[in-house]
Amino acid sequence: AQRVTQPEKLLSVFKGAPVELKCNYSYSGSPELFWYVQYSRQRLQLLLRHISRESIKGFTADLNKGETSFHLKKPFAQEEDSAMYYCALFETSGSRLTFGEGTQLTVNP
Amino acid sequence: ETGVTQSPTHLIKTRGQQVTLRCSSQSGHNTVSWYQQALGQGPQFIFQYYREEENGRGNFPPRFSGLQFPNYSSELNVNALELDDSALYLCASSLIGRAITDTQYFGPGTRLTVL
Repeated sequence: AQRVTQPEKLLSVFKGAPVELKCNYSYSGSPELFWYVQYSRQRLQLLLRHISRESIKGFTADLNKGETSFHLKKPFAQEEDSAMYYCALFETSGSRLTFGEGTQLTVNP
Repeated sequence: ETGVTQSPTHLIKTRGQQVTLRCSSQSGHNTVSWYQQALGQGPQFIFQYYREEENGRGNFPPRFSGLQFPNYSSELNVNALELDDSALYLCASSLIGRAITDTQYFGPGTRLTVL
């Protein structure tokens, strides 16, 4: 069965420091992976998906099939990046997103 | 472009009761998925509706049921409520077309409390 693991529930960095939010997955098919973000009192919103290879708000994520990882990175964290981040895998056979448990990122001034 | 909306925002029910939650999909979308998010956890897939039929189901009992209407809006019904059903229920809409996978856009959720 598909599974998404985000090993860090909490992550705290200082403004201007690099940040990496880890995501590992297990899936027998060809994975389609997403990062969603939830800012305080806002709805869950798409940050990026791996097939579009975009950089959103300075964040990037590279799919590493060998390590089954899709880590989210940003070279210089900003205070407004403080939020809950969810990694998600799309399973085409079941038309579903499988989410990790999320990482709460706090960027300190 | 209208985003995904859900009603009500909050709901309090007692054990054994039944509840109906509603979702209006984003304009141009034809698919609605429902997720349950318990406190401190990531969303869990309940089911998806496409062309008014169930198009995939997660590990939830039959007392969780749904509908999709011709205008692509959807309802989630839960019968015989249990305390563990207390959660944030999220609706997401997407477009199934030439690409099977399309981005799912989420509504603000309905917070259900079962006492």
